Amino acid sequence: KAGVTQTPRYLIKTRGQQVTLSCSPISGHRSVSWYQQTPGQGLQFLFEYFSETQRNKGNFPGRFSGRQFSNSRSEMNVSTLELGDSALYLCASSLILPGSSGANVLTFGAGSRLTVL
Amino acid sequence: AQSVAQPEDQVNVAEGNPLTVKCTYSVSGNPYLFWYVQYPNRGLQFLLKYITGDNLVKGSYGFEAEFNKSQTSFHLKKPSALVSDSALYFCAVREGSNYQLIWGAGTKLIIKP
Repeated sequence: KAGVTQTPRYLIKTRGQQVTLSCSPISGHRSVSWYQQTPGQGLQFLFEYFSETQRNKGNFPGRFSGRQFSNSRSEMNVSTLELGDSALYLCASSLILPGSSGANVLTFGAGSRLTVL
Repeated sequence: AQSVAQPEDQVNVAEGNPLTVKCTYSVSGNPYLFWYVQYPNRGLQFLLKYITGDNLVKGSYGFEAEFNKSQTSFHLKKPSALVSDSALYFCAVREGSNYQLIWGAGTKLIIKP
């Protein structure tokens, strides 16, 4: 079956612009989470959605937002881009239900590499 | 508070030698522990997990990890390294009642021919 698909794979923006990244989870997965990966900060959790509802949110400013659609596809938006927003943005989907006692194995997409000039 | 430490930024191993990538954790309850691997220009891939039971967990690509409760460690191991094992390895932990994963900073593994 198809994996997690992220688009676009690469993009270049300038400071002050805004960007929208898209993620299509594995079919049947209803949980989608987003991460920012940078060489200096490692993997930082942005937010997680389940059934169109944001369940968890990391420590990022309000410029970072997201949403999930009824087909489980998710988008994240970054407004008023800053140089420090340059990073690889990873989306991961999971089959697990919220609050489940099982171990959540995440399936990651290849990421969207954002460069802010 | 939960935390994960990967004390080595980089590990260098000769091909054919055994490898170990270290991970220590801190949680208040029973830990769920994970290893993921990231190859260049790709997302993370799940390698293995520990929930309960046997302390030695076997995963993909010949990797295994040993859960040590007294030392709060979950080191990743492989008996004989391959050049293709060169990648970035992440350890993650989840405390039983907390759904959120906490990630280590990652360890770059370099296998030299």
